[in-house]
Amino acid sequence: IAGITQAPTSQILAAGRRMTLRCTQDMRHNAMYWYRQDLGLGLRLIHYSNTAGTTGKGEVPDGYSVSRANTDDFPLTLASAVPSQTSVYFCASSDSKDGLTAFFGQGTRLTVV
Amino acid sequence: GQNIDQPTEMTATEGAIVQINCTYQTSGFNGLFWYQQHAGEAPTFLSYNVLDGLEEKGRFSSFLSRSKGYSYLLLKELQMKDSASYLCAVLDSNYQLIWGAGTKLIIKP
Repeated sequence: IAGITQAPTSQILAAGRRMTLRCTQDMRHNAMYWYRQDLGLGLRLIHYSNTAGTTGKGEVPDGYSVSRANTDDFPLTLASAVPSQTSVYFCASSDSKDGLTAFFGQGTRLTVV
Repeated sequence: GQNIDQPTEMTATEGAIVQINCTYQTSGFNGLFWYQQHAGEAPTFLSYNVLDGLEEKGRFSSFLSRSKGYSYLLLKELQMKDSASYLCAVLDSNYQLIWGAGTKLIIKP
């Protein structure tokens, strides 16, 4: 692993199903983030974690949950998917040792039908 | 509320110079980032400004005026591979990144 990895890269999901998007980083960054990116709206923060064991809500947290059991992993769960959650999801990490620059995973393209 | 404004789309010619503007109104300021995002890919870091002035990095330069809540990204000697979206983001008082919607730059030969 080099940097930050997301899985899956794409998924088609039936409405009402539960889905977990995985995110793993090997940079030992303290902070991790989940964003969704929709056309014309830019990146919107869903949830974040400043350090292992803590999480916080972003701009659009409803319908999503996260956990941060350790430094490397930050999974995002959709408990019961709805079509409005169709989006591209990016996981990112940052740390003061890298000037708080956010490094992004390659994204997960999720379609809820 | 917090707001970042940048043009939706710009067109420029290969070999030319283009300036992408970004204005912001945020609760606090701890720096401004520019990212490049090619279609279907993740954003990648271009530049960071926390003090007023111009930061030059090869063909790309970024300028900041904190008093005016204004930044621009200057791209020189445009190449076709520079066709991408350019995202402006501000680190607010809580050290959270506030993102603009991005400027899609189209380069024509």
